[in-house]
Amino acid sequence: DGGITQSPKYLFRKEGQNVTLSCEQNLNHDAMYWYRQDPGQGLRLIYYSQIVNDFQKGDIAEGYSVSREKKESFPLTVTSAQKNPTAFYLCASSIEDVGGEQFFGPGTRLTVL
Amino acid sequence: GESVGLHLPTLSVQEGDNSIINCAYSNSASDYFIWYKQESGKGPQFIIDIRSNMDKRQGQRVTVLLNKTVKHLSLQIAATQPGDSAVYFCAEKSGNTPLVFGKGTRLSVIA
Repeated sequence: DGGITQSPKYLFRKEGQNVTLSCEQNLNHDAMYWYRQDPGQGLRLIYYSQIVNDFQKGDIAEGYSVSREKKESFPLTVTSAQKNPTAFYLCASSIEDVGGEQFFGPGTRLTVL
Repeated sequence: GESVGLHLPTLSVQEGDNSIINCAYSNSASDYFIWYKQESGKGPQFIIDIRSNMDKRQGQRVTVLLNKTVKHLSLQIAATQPGDSAVYFCAEKSGNTPLVFGKGTRLSVIA
């Protein structure tokens, strides 16, 4: 089956530790995205990538880093510099360069203790 | 900056009735709009989309209406069912910019 996978579904980390969230897609999509969602809120764009080895900051990139070494993979690292990292993180991909219908993964809920 | 927002944060509807979820947008250059449904703890799922050269598009039990004059988007769900209970997001984009999402409306279906 084609789709987007995120792992793990739940993640717990101690304050001050970096943590990397996985996102993989086998849809052959060029563009991939990371969003953050807080309770009762919409989706805020962290980073996006249109092609391999290239990515752009979204609205709330501070405290996060990404890489795009392969078309299928777009991991997100939540660094210790992120002041309030506890949130639901969603990865998405789209067939167009940027925008158009985005397909979402199931999300990772990160809790920093 | 430009933003996408919703008129109603929550909506309660009797099962079998029609639901209307509204969305206002402020970027007059937006040319693509999309509605997503998000169930608790899951990623958003595509419902229906519309381009700015249209004012209405229908899917199965859903209709999206676009009024560019007042920059308003709505999602109509016919014969609302308990399985329609979720948070609904509108999103818009202009050209090659990423989608911008609204805050969402929670739809609760009363059986």
